[in-house]
Amino acid sequence: GENVEQHPSTLSVQEGDSAVIKCTYSDSASNYFPWYKQELGKRPQLIIDIRSNVGEKKDQRIAVTLNKTAKHFSLHITETQPEDSAVYFCAASPYGNKLVFGAGTILRVKS
Amino acid sequence: SAVISQKPSRDICQRGTSLTIQCQVDSQVTMMFWYRQQPGQSLTLIATANQGSEATYESGFVIDKFPISRPNLTFSTLTVSNMSPEDSSIYLCSGVSGSPVDPDTQYFGPGTRLTVL
Repeated sequence: GENVEQHPSTLSVQEGDSAVIKCTYSDSASNYFPWYKQELGKRPQLIIDIRSNVGEKKDQRIAVTLNKTAKHFSLHITETQPEDSAVYFCAASPYGNKLVFGAGTILRVKS
Repeated sequence: SAVISQKPSRDICQRGTSLTIQCQVDSQVTMMFWYRQQPGQSLTLIATANQGSEATYESGFVIDKFPISRPNLTFSTLTVSNMSPEDSSIYLCSGVSGSPVDPDTQYFGPGTRLTVL
């Protein structure tokens, strides 16, 4: 079955700097890759997603890139702010809208 | 987008008992899922809740332990049966709208925090 690896497990950046989180997946049939942000005690919230027919997608300070050949995708957050501090999860969908999640990255933005 | 609610938000239960968690979506969704999130961990898919038929379970999860119902397109329940302390976790339901504009986005409920003593 699908396996998603996520790195790093924790990431500390200074406010205003960029943050990059990377994920790899194993199943070449996966065709949908969302990123979720989860604040403490809250539900996961979708922040951006990308489908396998697209290489890059951007939404204001957030961007995601996908390399299907290498089976990896990355989240890029520019001009980080303290409110970006949270746990970020990548996921891959091998079929039927099921999601296989990465282990998560704790992002801390220091002001 | 779909708004998803769950009841109860939290509960403390004795081992050997069962708890049923309800999930309500404010609009029709094509797919509904149940996930488990252990403290400080990621989300693990338990099963797909199929409308009007038996749920489809992932490896490591069985119907006798986690019976699921989905009587219509907007409601599902998950029961955690014969609980042990290892079942202490957050249980989340999710829904996928399947609309042409938003075909894949999966929305999550707020979760049910279960503690088993």
